[in-house]
Amino acid sequence: AQSVTQLGSHVSVSEGALVLLRCNYSSSVPPYLFWYVQYPNQGLQLLLKYTTGATLVKGINGFEAEFKKSETSFHLTKPSAHMSDAAEYFCAVSPSGNTGKLIFGQGTTLQVKP
Amino acid sequence: KAGVTQTPRYLIKTRGQQVTLSCSPISGHRSVSWYQQTPGQGLQFLFEYFSETQRNKGNFPGRFSGRQFSNSRSEMNVSTLELGDSALYLCASSWAAQQGMNTEAFFGQGTRLTVV
Repeated sequence: AQSVTQLGSHVSVSEGALVLLRCNYSSSVPPYLFWYVQYPNQGLQLLLKYTTGATLVKGINGFEAEFKKSETSFHLTKPSAHMSDAAEYFCAVSPSGNTGKLIFGQGTTLQVKP
Repeated sequence: KAGVTQTPRYLIKTRGQQVTLSCSPISGHRSVSWYQQTPGQGLQFLFEYFSETQRNKGNFPGRFSGRQFSNSRSEMNVSTLELGDSALYLCASSWAAQQGMNTEAFFGQGTRLTVV
């Protein structure tokens, strides 16, 4: 069965600092991988996705993630944190590429300090 | 283009009652999925409907059920509510016409259900 592990339930960075949110997955087949962001009392918004092809994926709001098959990782990064980035972030895997069924990690709350 | 609409946004129910939540997908989207989000269990997949048929099902008891109408709108029902059913229920729609198609899932803002 596929699963997703997000390392660190809370991450705190200073404004302007590098953001690194970690995600590892387990999958017996090539996975489709996603990062979503959730603001308080809101639904989920897709930041970026990896399906096939280029392993470095660029998303919205300056975020990017790199798919590393050898490490089964899909870490999310942003060079310079902004106060508006404070939110909860979810990594997800799609079994068989069907985005109708997503398996989510436990989420990482990002705090950005002024 | 209107997004995914979930109604109601907030709901308070008593233990033992039943509840129906509604989701209107983005126009043209035929796949609708439901998720339960709780602080303890995180985001968990409930089920997916496509063209009025349940295509995938998560690991939830039979008290949780759903359906999809010919216009792709979906409802989920929870019967005999328990305190542990208190959660944010999220609906997502996507265009995926068949299994394996890579399309983005768009989420609604959710329905916050509180069981007292």
